[in-house]
Amino acid sequence: GQNIDQPTEMTATEGAIVQINCTYQTSGFNGLFWYQQHAGEAPTFLSYNVLDGLEEKGRFSSFLSRSKGYSYLLLKELQMKDSASYLCAVSGNYGQNFVFGPGTRLSVLP
Amino acid sequence: EADIYQTPRYLVIGTGKKITLECSQTMGHDKMYWYQQDPGMELHLIHYSYGVNSTEKGDLSSESTVSRIRTEHFPLTLESARPSHTSQYLCASSDTGVWTEKLFFGSGTQLSVL
Repeated sequence: GQNIDQPTEMTATEGAIVQINCTYQTSGFNGLFWYQQHAGEAPTFLSYNVLDGLEEKGRFSSFLSRSKGYSYLLLKELQMKDSASYLCAVSGNYGQNFVFGPGTRLSVLP
Repeated sequence: EADIYQTPRYLVIGTGKKITLECSQTMGHDKMYWYQQDPGMELHLIHYSYGVNSTEKGDLSSESTVSRIRTEHFPLTLESARPSHTSQYLCASSDTGVWTEKLFFGSGTQLSVL
């Protein structure tokens, strides 16, 4: 089976940096994904890691360590619009074993 | 513009009614999915399809059924709606190949069964 853990809630200040952690246990590994979901809306794709290391994309970066079953999403220069849930998702064996974590609800305060 | 569409956006219906939630995508994706999500809770996969005439049940047991007669269309049907079916239903699609798990989601259908 697959198990994904993330903190339930986080709070940060506008302009700051925040790191959202994700740990996972899966049968096989094809990749780790981060999605953003604003309240009442559908998730949107943010980033994808298949190899160890850091992937940078503007204000967002995602890191992966496959040996530790660990990933984080780093958000820099936080803006109010970044207040949303951030979902960690893991693809295990090819095909149907694609599982979303419970999500981390981030609140950005002025 | 290539996209994924869900209708209706909101649906309020009485117990025992049969309903069909529509999902269509114009991206030519082979894979399509239905997820169920309660407010503030995680996404649960209820059905998926890898192509025409291919449908599978997901991780969450569901009383719904799906069909995939055309690549672009993946409707979900509840034969007899119950209050326990009240939830948000999200349709998604993805391409095959390296980015197969990059999902594109529709706007969702918020279903309320009275």
